[in-house]
Amino acid sequence: EPEVTQTPSHQVTQMGQEVILRCVPISNHLYFYWYRQILGQKVEFLVSFYNNEISEKSEIFDDQFSVERPDGSNFTLKIRSTKLEDSAMYFCASSEEGVSAFFGQGTRLTVV
Amino acid sequence: GENVEQHPSTLSVQEGDSAVIKCTYSDSASNYFPWYKQELGKGPQLIIDIRSNVGEKKDQRIAVTLNKTAKHFSLHITETQPEDSAVYFCAARPGYKLSFGAGTTVTVRA
Repeated sequence: EPEVTQTPSHQVTQMGQEVILRCVPISNHLYFYWYRQILGQKVEFLVSFYNNEISEKSEIFDDQFSVERPDGSNFTLKIRSTKLEDSAMYFCASSEEGVSAFFGQGTRLTVV
Repeated sequence: GENVEQHPSTLSVQEGDSAVIKCTYSDSASNYFPWYKQELGKGPQLIIDIRSNVGEKKDQRIAVTLNKTAKHFSLHITETQPEDSAVYFCAARPGYKLSFGAGTTVTVRA
């Protein structure tokens, strides 16, 4: 069964450093998303991406965040200068038609 | 924006009994309501969803009901089994993004 894959599973980084979280969406999907879940809190929407551009973003997704689909298969989330409060589980999701979204296993980001 | 409330936060049921989780939403523009199951160390897995033009949907032991007038929807799991133990999230979507409930930790006692 096709699935969304994310790497790495766990990333530890120093405050102020840049991180890139990687995702390979399901191959025929056209809509891509990033969500995050801070420990003990709700899953929160960050950004949606369609047709090589951001279609919607949340207040969390400020200038420190960016997304890219560099090669037609990967979908990345970059955090330019990480803060302690960026520590969370980051989930990538994809959708074929923009309705049903399928999530990856997540990347646990720890900022120290 | 959309606000989704989910109850209860924890639910313990005897194996074979039914489990019901309820969610309410605030944005009348929401038209898609999925349910996700998350097991420890894994990402949310889509288990069932319902669109606003349908009042009920069933898939084997799982069913979802939607009341658009009251802005609430529910997940029903019948004949629960130990492998149903997990955290369940409801969500609602008015546009591109999903707004999630806080989750319900379901424990099925053998």
